[in-house]
Amino acid sequence: QVQLQESGPGLVKASDTLSLTCTVSGDSFSYSGNYWGWSRQPPGKGLEWIGSISYSGTAYYNPSLKSRVTISIDTSEKQYSLKLSSVTAADTAVYYCAKLEGGVVDNWGQGTLVSVSS
Amino acid sequence: SYVLTQPPSVSVAPGQTARITCEGNKIETKRVHWYQQKPGQAPVVVIYFDSDRPSGIPDRFSGSNSGNTATLTISGVDAGDEADYYCQVWNTDNKNVFFGGGAKLTVL
Repeated sequence: QVQLQESGPGLVKASDTLSLTCTVSGDSFSYSGNYWGWSRQPPGKGLEWIGSISYSGTAYYNPSLKSRVTISIDTSEKQYSLKLSSVTAADTAVYYCAKLEGGVVDNWGQGTLVSVSS
Repeated sequence: SYVLTQPPSVSVAPGQTARITCEGNKIETKRVHWYQQKPGQAPVVVIYFDSDRPSGIPDRFSGSNSGNTATLTISGVDAGDEADYYCQVWNTDNKNVFFGGGAKLTVL
C-alpha cells in the first residue's frame, strides 16, 4: 500500500512562492502507469486539481494555474514537489498530494493547510 | 475544460436510498469516479470506473453512468454516510483531472 506525506511551511507571505514536498512510501513509485499529483481545497470549498507528474518527469498542469505552477520529481528520494508562485489569499487551502492511477485518485496524503498572510 | 455539476446538498432519512447526481456533457463517454470526504479527512474513493467498488467499500454504494448524468446511489443510508461526495473524471490526453463541486449528504 502506498502512503503519501506532505511537508512544507504552513504560512506563506502574499506574493511569495509556496513550496511543498510529498514523500512516497511503498513499491509503486516507479510504475509508469502512475501519476503523482497535487490537489487543494480552500476552507469550506470543493476540491481543485493542480497538476501531476510522471515518474519520467513529464508534468501536466491545470490550465487555470499553469502560469504559476511547477511540479518536479526526485526519483532517488521518492519525493515530488509543488511550487506555486505569486500567491494571494485565494491560494489559502489544504493541499493534498495524491496518486493518480488509471484516472482514479486512489491514494491521498493527509493534507496540509497552507495559509497566505498579507 | 470539462464542467461537472452536482447538487449542493442531498437529504435522506435513515434507511432510505440517497442518489447523488453528476451532470456533464456526454458524461457517458467518460469514466466517472466518486469520492467520500468526511470533515477533516482526505477524500476516499468509493466508486471507480462508473460502477466498480474498491475493497472495503460496502455494497450499499453503487454507481451508474448514462447520457449526461452519472449517479452515485447509497442504499440503506445511516449516519455514518454523512459526508461530502465528489464526482471526478480524467482527460487522458492532457492528464487533467476534473472534480464536481461536491454534494453534502445529510442524514435526517
